[in-house]
Amino acid sequence: GAVVSQHPSRVICKSGTSVKIECRSLDFQATTMFWYRQFPKQSLMLMATSNEGSKATYEQGVEKDKFLINHASLTLSTLTVTSAHPEDSSFYICSAREGGWNEQYFGPGTRLTVT
Amino acid sequence: GEDVEQSLFLSVREGDSSVINCTYTDSSSTYLYWYKQEPGAGLQLLTYIFSNMDMKQDQRLTVLLNKKDKHLSLRIADTQTGDSAIYFCAETSAGGGNKLTFGTGTQLKVEL
Repeated sequence: GAVVSQHPSRVICKSGTSVKIECRSLDFQATTMFWYRQFPKQSLMLMATSNEGSKATYEQGVEKDKFLINHASLTLSTLTVTSAHPEDSSFYICSAREGGWNEQYFGPGTRLTVT
Repeated sequence: GEDVEQSLFLSVREGDSSVINCTYTDSSSTYLYWYKQEPGAGLQLLTYIFSNMDMKQDQRLTVLLNKKDKHLSLRIADTQTGDSAIYFCAETSAGGGNKLTFGTGTQLKVEL
């Protein structure tokens, strides 16, 4: 089946530093990848949609200069949280889709803690 | 924007059936989904239903869709302790660019 991995699974960083999270589709080519954020005991909120080779589309209220998304290949998208602050601490989940309407396959998530 | 609501918590005894409910507001929804999330993990797609269907059954899972009332339910037969998780309903619509809009999640607790 379609597998999506994320790395790292957990990261702790200091306030003011940047952290990069990778999302990989392991056995299929992902034309579209999505980045979600999930606060404890809450739902997933879509942050941005990225298509391979083009700029990401950010949801309203998501700062594109703070959450840098790169989708340089059909199997890799990265999310960089720049100048992280404690309020950026959250569970970040990516998903990948192979075609226009196909099922989204979710990664296992990355727990970010900013101290 | 679209709104998807679920009750927060459901507790059932092992062996009983569980019914998790979801209401949504987007009348142009095309697909509706049920996802399972175990602690500290990503989401696993359980099943989905196209908006022109009323019911879909897949082993222990039965999905009912009342499009008129914009109500979706997931019935889990013979609920097991391994079914304990958070369940999210989600919907996509053609007008929404096929993006998923998730419900608030229902935590299912299965007791012995």
